[in-house]
Amino acid sequence: DGGITQSPKYLFRKEGQNVTLSCEQNLNHDAMYWYRQDPGQGLRLIYYSQIVNDFQKGDIAEGYSVSREKKESFPLTVTSAQKNPTAFYLCASSARGQADQPQHFGDGTRLSIL
Amino acid sequence: KQEVTQIPAALSVPEGENLVLNCSFTDSAIYNLQWFRQDPGKGLTSLLLIQSSQREQTSGRLNASLDKSSGRSTLYIAASQPGDSATYLCAVSHDYKLSFGAGTTVTVRA
Repeated sequence: DGGITQSPKYLFRKEGQNVTLSCEQNLNHDAMYWYRQDPGQGLRLIYYSQIVNDFQKGDIAEGYSVSREKKESFPLTVTSAQKNPTAFYLCASSARGQADQPQHFGDGTRLSIL
Repeated sequence: KQEVTQIPAALSVPEGENLVLNCSFTDSAIYNLQWFRQDPGKGLTSLLLIQSSQREQTSGRLNASLDKSSGRSTLYIAASQPGDSATYLCAVSHDYKLSFGAGTTVTVRA
């Protein structure tokens, strides 16, 4: 079955530690996205990538980094510079990086601070 | 900056009643609007997508309308069931990204 796989489902971060969230898709989609969801708020865009080896900052990129070395993979690193990392992180993809394309979502990773 | 608002934040209805969920947005220059369902601790499942040139979309018991000029969309769920209990999010597409509302959490009482 085609889809988006996020791992791990739950992740805990210690003070000063960087952690990496995995996102893999087998939909052959060009574009991939990372969103953050906080209770009572809508999803906010962290980073997006319209094509391999290219990515752009979203609305809340500070304290995060990404890479897009392969079409199917778009890992997100939450760095120690992100002072409030506790949230639910969602990865999405779309066939092309154009605004008229529907986005498909993974099941998310919940990140907490130890 | 695009702002998306969903009212009410929460809704509780008895089984069988029709649901009406509202979504408003401030900038009418959108490509499409999507309605998503989110179960607790889960990702988003796309329910309906309405292109900016369309007025409505239907899928089974779900019907979504779009009035781009007034910046409004409504999701109707007919004959609600306990399995419809979830959070419903709307999102508008513009500038290569989606802007989301905070969602309406629906509880359908058996």
